[in-house]
Amino acid sequence: DAGITQSPRHKVTETGTPVTLRCHQTENHRYMYWYRQDPGHGLRLIHYSYGVKDTDKGEVSDGYSVSRSKTEDFLLTLESATSSQTSVYFCAIKLDITDTQYFGPGTRLTVL
Amino acid sequence: GDSVTQMEGPVTLSEEAFLTINCTYTATGYPSLFWYVQYPGEGLQLLLKATKADDKGSNKGFEATYRKETTSFHLEKGSVQVSDSAVYFCALSENSSASKIIFGSGTRLSIRP
Repeated sequence: DAGITQSPRHKVTETGTPVTLRCHQTENHRYMYWYRQDPGHGLRLIHYSYGVKDTDKGEVSDGYSVSRSKTEDFLLTLESATSSQTSVYFCAIKLDITDTQYFGPGTRLTVL
Repeated sequence: GDSVTQMEGPVTLSEEAFLTINCTYTATGYPSLFWYVQYPGEGLQLLLKATKADDKGSNKGFEATYRKETTSFHLEKGSVQVSDSAVYFCALSENSSASKIIFGSGTRLSIRP
């Protein structure tokens, strides 16, 4: 599982509240990614990071921000959650020498 | 931009049947191609990959061949088992240092005993 953990694994929150999801890796990989999974859409990239304090937007970045203050942690923040952000969120890492990504177990987020 | 199209599901087969899940892609350059599998309640696992034309990826009895001429990467298995029931995602990796992955929408496979 490439040493990836996500927390929390499940969260229910209300519209308008801030939410932060955490991705933690144990192997010092440079690249980390946040995806959301929705029926009929597969997985879509939200943001990714290529080093400490180095991040870039993905396909569906509106309404999300990220931070990476240390190599092992990549945080995804919903500043003001909306019902359209109800989804399953997956973190991934990429080994530096390949283009293969490995995924964490996911966080199921429900915004009421 | 790059994209991946895979056959819609759900696909329901009997145990020991032959499986094909179609996948085609559109890309500039020469992407790597992947199949990921997601078992119920779990994250995605890499099933197999191919990095260049005519490469065949294989794992757990599944195979897929990178066909540049038809821009396809169809997943096949000769005899499916109940334990193969899962959602299968075809994907490609963009030719960049970040190797961003573009996923297909997924195909749900159910195998009847």
